[in-house]
Amino acid sequence: EAGVAQSPRYKIIEKRQSVAFWCNPISGHATLYWYQQILGQGPKLLIQFQNNGVVDDSQLPKDRFSAERLKGVDSTLKIQPAKLEDSAVYLCASSLGTFWDGSYEQYFGPGTRLTVT
Amino acid sequence: KQEVTQIPAALSVPEGENLVLNCSFTDSAIYNLQWFRQDPPGKGLTSLLLIQSSQREQTSGRLNASLDKSSGRSTLYIAASQPGDSATYLCAVSTSGTYKYIFGTGTRLKVLA
Repeated sequence: EAGVAQSPRYKIIEKRQSVAFWCNPISGHATLYWYQQILGQGPKLLIQFQNNGVVDDSQLPKDRFSAERLKGVDSTLKIQPAKLEDSAVYLCASSLGTFWDGSYEQYFGPGTRLTVT
Repeated sequence: KQEVTQIPAALSVPEGENLVLNCSFTDSAIYNLQWFRQDPPGKGLTSLLLIQSSQREQTSGRLNASLDKSSGRSTLYIAASQPGDSATYLCAVSTSGTYKYIFGTGTRLKVLA
């Protein structure tokens, strides 16, 4: 079974530029998560999709971050414009279902390391 | 608001030692707790053990995770540590009602050959 795929693996941009990350979850997984992990900290949930609907985006800085999941499969996370404090690893995860139906074990991709200079 | 703390932040042990990693959480009304491994720091996470709120422990190979909701603690026990166990270990707690994971800051383990 193929795992969660993410691209690019690394990205270096200057502040005020824009950047986009792509995630392809495990086939058949309805729920997709984007996390931000700043160096030395644990991952923080930015947004959670179930199929193509947003379940939780309470910690997504909506003035600069946006995310979409078209057709309930792949997802993109965009930052525009980027700030220095956005330097982090962006992790995508997927689960078969959700906590509500019990199939919530999350599988993580390799992450995208973003450096904003 | 749920807060998750992991102690120690870093640990270095000789190969073969048994060791315990600690995870504390402030809100005991949890749905489940999961231990992950991340190596090296900033790479993808691998699930190790998941403990439901109704369970006391889970075991997989040389790993054993226990949960004490009343005291807000979980421990991850690693038996007969090996250099391949070197990684960052993260615990994540989901609180009943929100169900999203709150992660600790991790324990960075180094097992010396």
